[in-house]
Amino acid sequence: DTAVSQTPKYLVTQMGNDKSIKCEQNLGHDTMYWYKQDSKKFLKIMFSYNNKELIINETVPNRFSPKSPDKAHLNLHINSLELGDSAVYFCASSQADGGGYTFGSGTRLTVV
Amino acid sequence: SQKIEQNSEALNIQEGKTATLTCNYTNYSPAYLQWYRQDPGRGPVFLLLIRENEKEKRKERLKVTFDTTLKQSLFHITASQPADSATYLCALDSGTASKLTFGTGTRLQVTL
Repeated sequence: DTAVSQTPKYLVTQMGNDKSIKCEQNLGHDTMYWYKQDSKKFLKIMFSYNNKELIINETVPNRFSPKSPDKAHLNLHINSLELGDSAVYFCASSQADGGGYTFGSGTRLTVV
Repeated sequence: SQKIEQNSEALNIQEGKTATLTCNYTNYSPAYLQWYRQDPGRGPVFLLLIRENEKEKRKERLKVTFDTTLKQSLFHITASQPADSATYLCALDSGTASKLTFGTGTRLQVTL
């Protein structure tokens, strides 16, 4: 049973398009995150949600809009995709009281 | 500005030796520090967490030390095996918000 699952695994799209990445966790964790890993493998936080509420928005362009319908899901919608958005996007979850994060396997987004 | 630095050069060691990876940070007061393993094409996997009031933590062949005076953590893998080859990431959390900040990672290569 996959603990944190995100779809799709690969996404190739043209500049200017709108796309979504979905994430679900079955661990009962309170907090979910989106991270971006660039070509230099640097992992940077984008958003953090606790029990469906936005806690952290790390100066991400407003073309990126997260949505959490319930505490087990955190989706990421990206409008007007740009070349610089190409990266691997990871969803993760954790308990609110600290502890290790559980990451999904990533979505490799390529904007052409 | 806040920085988390790991040796960007790959660490090559022989099977059976102890691998030691370093994580240094500046302008940070972490409540705890975590270490993750990342294999190519996969998400990071949580290994160990050490709190600011702990000096050392062990788990099987892994040992982590945390020196808040030196602002440094050392991650040791004893009796290393080729299967330990991966990128290892350290991450800090100030504890005030759900925001784990990652270092750049060190690639470990264990050879026969």
